[in-house]
Amino acid sequence: EDQVTQSPEALRLQEGESSSLNCSYTVSGLRGLFWYRQDPGKGPEFLFTLYSAGEEKEKERLKATLTKKESFLHITAPKPEDSATYLCAVRPDNAGNMLTFGGGTRLMVKP
Amino acid sequence: NAGVTQTPKFRILKIGQSMTLQCTQDMNHNYMYWYRQDPGMGLKLIYYSVGAGITDKGEVPNGYNVSRSTTEDFPLRLELAAPSQTSVYFCASSRLRQGQNTGELFFGEGSRLTVL
Repeated sequence: EDQVTQSPEALRLQEGESSSLNCSYTVSGLRGLFWYRQDPGKGPEFLFTLYSAGEEKEKERLKATLTKKESFLHITAPKPEDSATYLCAVRPDNAGNMLTFGGGTRLMVKP
Repeated sequence: NAGVTQTPKFRILKIGQSMTLQCTQDMNHNYMYWYRQDPGMGLKLIYYSVGAGITDKGEVPNGYNVSRSTTEDFPLRLELAAPSQTSVYFCASSRLRQGQNTGELFFGEGSRLTVL
């Protein structure tokens, strides 16, 4: 069974304190790993797609990396506006058009 | 562009009532999806569609129905509402790239449904 586990469930950082969010996955074959950002009361917003181990993507203070078993979302010098829930999802080889989502990490950045 | 638009944003239903959640997108995306999100549980796929006239079940389809008569619209029907259907519902769409589904989802703002 395909599984996605995100850790920690919640993370509190001071502004400027860099950290990483983890997404561990178990799939039969990976057609893509996706990161989304979700603000309270809003729908998720697409951030990155990673396809193969070793791949990295960057956007402003965020960098996503991928290995064969997990992905990390690195947040460098975060600001309060980076506070949100970050969701990870995988698209397994045998799942057609379905994504399997993790439970998310709620990030709070204090000024 | 409005993107993906969902209505209503909030609704309270009594057990056994029925209703339809509306979803429309103006990006000409072929693929559309309905997800539900429960606290701490992640997003679960209810139904999806690869184009007008074609729908398929997701992970948690029981108690729901969908139709796709146009590229733009993908309504979700709840028949005989139950407390277990209390959730936040998200409609999403995704685009093709080089003829393949990218899997990159564009979400609406959600519809919060409470069944009492």
